[in-house]
Formats: sequence, structure tokens, C-alpha cells
Amino acid sequence: QIQLVQSGVEVTKPGASVKVSCKASGDTLTPYGVSWVRQAPGQGLEWMGSISTYNGNTNYGQKFHGRVTMTTDASTSTVYMELRSLTSGDTAVYYCARDGPVVYGRAPAGDYWGQGTLVVVSS
Amino acid sequence: DIQMTQSPSTLSASVGDRVTITCRASQSISGWLAWFQQKPGKAPKLLIYKASSLEGAVPSRFSGSGSGTEFTLTISSLQPDDFATYYCQQYNSYPRTFGQGTKVEIK
Repeated sequence: QIQLVQSGVEVTKPGASVKVSCKASGDTLTPYGVSWVRQAPGQGLEWMGSISTYNGNTNYGQKFHGRVTMTTDASTSTVYMELRSLTSGDTAVYYCARDGPVVYGRAPAGDYWGQGTLVVVSS
Repeated sequence: DIQMTQSPSTLSASVGDRVTITCRASQSISGWLAWFQQKPGKAPKLLIYKASSLEGAVPSRFSGSGSGTEFTLTISSLQPDDFATYYCQQYNSYPRTFGQGTKVEIK
């Protein structure tokens, strides 16, 4: 059974960047997609984007276009999400999730989730 | 973007009650809808995908139905472990979008 383990808490300043990792153990992420979903304090879930671990193709939410980059390293079964030009509005728990189960080529985000990474943006 | 609207936002119920949560899409998503359960401080858990398919070891008291723009999640007999927040998510198209959530509270 696959487990997704994310990197630890990040405390950073406005204008900075953060890079969160999501490493799979117990199984490989390939060829699944991986989505990133964030949740601001007391708020709902917000899908940020997803990356195919098969070919590296990405889909980003319009809100994050130009500020987010998702990458994948098949050799370590790790996916990364970098968010730039941070503001206090980016303070949230960031989750990675495997896109699955796949039915006719479509999959929800997701059937397996990381534990979440708290990112705090504060001056 | 496809907007997902859940109702109600909060639901008060007792153990043993039958509970129904509705999710409406701003345009047709066929059957590409998932339901998640989230407890405080925890990652969401997939309950149902493709509108009505039960995921893995999810108890059979959970069921989903609907297609097009209107969907429901039903808990046939609410158990103490079911008090949580529930989210729908469409995956018909990008960007994936979630409903705003329905909190199921103890009455």
C-alpha cells in the first residue's frame, strides 16, 4: 500500500518561495498523476494543480499560474511543488494526493494523501 | 471553471439518522464526481468516486448517486465516527474544483 510522506513545516516571509516535497513509499507513483490541494486555516479544500508522473505534463489552476511549478523525480518517486511570491494569503496546509482510482482515463484527486505540510507566511 | 455548490453547509444529526448531502455543478460533469470525508487535523479521505462507486474499505452505509449536475451523498445510519466535514469534487475537467464543504455535527 502506497504512503505519501511530505516535507515538514515551513515558516517564511512575504515575497519568498517555498518548495514542498511528497515522497512515495510502499509503491511507485508512476504512472499516476499527483495533485496538490491546499487548505487555509478554517477554510475548505482548494485544488492547485496536478502533474503526471508518467510524462511530466502539468495542469495548474488559473489562480496559481505563473507562481507555481510542479515537478517529478521518478528515480526517487518524489513530487515537488514550488510556490513563489508568497503572501499571507498563502498560509495554509498543503497536501499532495495521488490521482486515483483511474476510470476511463479520469481520476479524482485523490485516493492516497500525504499528511500535509503547514506553510506559514509571516513578516 | 465549474462551480460546485454543496447544501447544507452545516447539518445537525443524531446517531442512527439518515443523512443526505447535495452537491450541484454549474454545468454537466457526467458522473465524474467524488466525495471526501475530512476530520480536524487530518487529510481528506476518499469515500466515493464516479458518483456512486464505493472506495476500498469504506462502510456500505455510505452511498452516492446522481449524474449531470446534481449529486447526493447518503449515510444510511449515522455513526459516531461519521461526524466530520464532507466535500464533493468534480473531475470532469480542469481545474478540478471542490464544493465548499458540509459539516455534519452532533445534534
